[in-house]
Amino acid sequence: EAGVTQSPRYAVLQEGQAVSFWCDPISGHDTLYWYQQPRDQGPQLLVYFRDEAVIDNSQLPSDRFSAVRPKGTNSTLKIQSAKQGDTATYLCASSRDISAETLYFGSGTRLTVL
Amino acid sequence: GEQVEQRPPHLSVREGDSAVIICTYTDPNSYYFFWYKQEPGAGLQLLMKVFSSTEINEGQGFTVLLNKKDKQLSLNLTAAHPGDSAVYFCAVSAWTGGLSGKLTFGEGTQVTVIS
Repeated sequence: EAGVTQSPRYAVLQEGQAVSFWCDPISGHDTLYWYQQPRDQGPQLLVYFRDEAVIDNSQLPSDRFSAVRPKGTNSTLKIQSAKQGDTATYLCASSRDISAETLYFGSGTRLTVL
Repeated sequence: GEQVEQRPPHLSVREGDSAVIICTYTDPNSYYFFWYKQEPGAGLQLLMKVFSSTEINEGQGFTVLLNKKDKQLSLNLTAAHPGDSAVYFCAVSAWTGGLSGKLTFGEGTQVTVIS
């Protein structure tokens, strides 16, 4: 069974530029999560979906960040105008369903904003 | 909301020795507890999940203890070897009328095993 796949692995951009991250969850997992992990810190939840519906995006900076999962499978997280404070690893995870206690994480996308 | 404090932030241990990482959480509704291992450039690898109070869970080369009375979760690396060098995170999920996969993570512990 393939794991959670994320791309790209790395991204480097200037402040003000836009960037998108892509996640392919484990097949059959209906719940998908995006976490932000600043350097030397634990991951922090940004948003999560059940199928195509957003369940909680209260920690997503809505003025610059957006996330979609249009068909309930793959997901895209986009930063519209990146800031240096967005420098972090962005982790995607999936679980079998919304009440499943086990999350499976991808390898992440490491973003550096200069 | 839930807060999770993890100590120590850095840990050096000689090969063959043991080491302990402790997490303290605040939400009494916390229900599931996890330890993850993160190697450089990799995602989070689940080591163990526990939910029973004061239960000792043994994995391969480590022991996990949950003490709900004191709201503490610990990871004991037994007989450390170089492959244990990594960052370890504890994580907690709360029962909020139903389980969810929303995890609150500790800050992480960088473990370095010295040969």
